[in-house]
Amino acid sequence: KAGVTQTPRYLIKTRGQQVTLSCSPISGHRSVSWYQQTPGQGLQFLFEYFSETQRNKGNFPGRFSGRQFSNSRSEMNVSTLELGDSALYLCASRRPGGPFPEAFFGQGTRLTVV
Amino acid sequence: DQQVKQNSPSLSVQEGRISILNCDYTNSMFDYFLWYKKYPAEGPTFLISISSIKDKNEDGRFTVFLNKSAKHLSLHIVPSQPGDSAVYFCAARTGNQFYFGTGTSLTVIP
Repeated sequence: KAGVTQTPRYLIKTRGQQVTLSCSPISGHRSVSWYQQTPGQGLQFLFEYFSETQRNKGNFPGRFSGRQFSNSRSEMNVSTLELGDSALYLCASRRPGGPFPEAFFGQGTRLTVV
Repeated sequence: DQQVKQNSPSLSVQEGRISILNCDYTNSMFDYFLWYKKYPAEGPTFLISISSIKDKNEDGRFTVFLNKSAKHLSLHIVPSQPGDSAVYFCAARTGNQFYFGTGTSLTVIP
C-alpha cells in the first residue's frame, strides 16, 4: 500500500509569491491534515479536511488555505509569501472510523522563501 | 498556547540502556496520546499510542506510560539501539485535532 505522497519535495520561492503544495493520502483515507514544522516549534496544525470539507483550522493567517478533492487528494496554498513561511510542510492522512488514532505522514515539502 | 510540552530538547543514552522521553500536557480532554519518531528529511513515523483510559501500553522495546493525575506521559525504550537515534514527538488528540510537542532529539551512543 503506497504511503502519503507529497509533491514537490523542495521548493524555493521569492517573498510575495504564492505557492501550492500537493498531498495524496493513503488509499481509503479520507482525512487529510496539514502541519508546519519550524525549528523549535514542533508541528503546528494548519487545517484538516474530510470529504472535501475543512473540518478544523489552526491559528494561521488567511494567507494559508487549502482544499480537498473528491479523490481525497489535498492541496495547500500560501499566498503573499513571507520569509517566516520557510518551513517543512507535512501532510498526514488517517483511516476512517474505528479506534485508529494515528495519522500517517508524508515526507514533507521543504519550502524556502528568499 | 502550547498544550503539549516536551521540556528536554535532547537526550543522550548509551546503547543497551533505557531511554526515557517525557511529555506534559494541559488539556484534560485529550483522548489519545501518541509518540512519533522522525529522521531528518523524512516525515514523522507513528510509534505507539495509548488511550486516555489506560496507564500503560507496550509494543516490543517501546512502552508508553500515562499518568493522568500529573498530566504526564513518558516513552521508555529498552534496550536502546543506535538506530533509535532520531527526534521523538509526543502528540495528543482531541476530536479530530492533534497537538504536538516540540520534540526531543535522542542520541544513542554505541
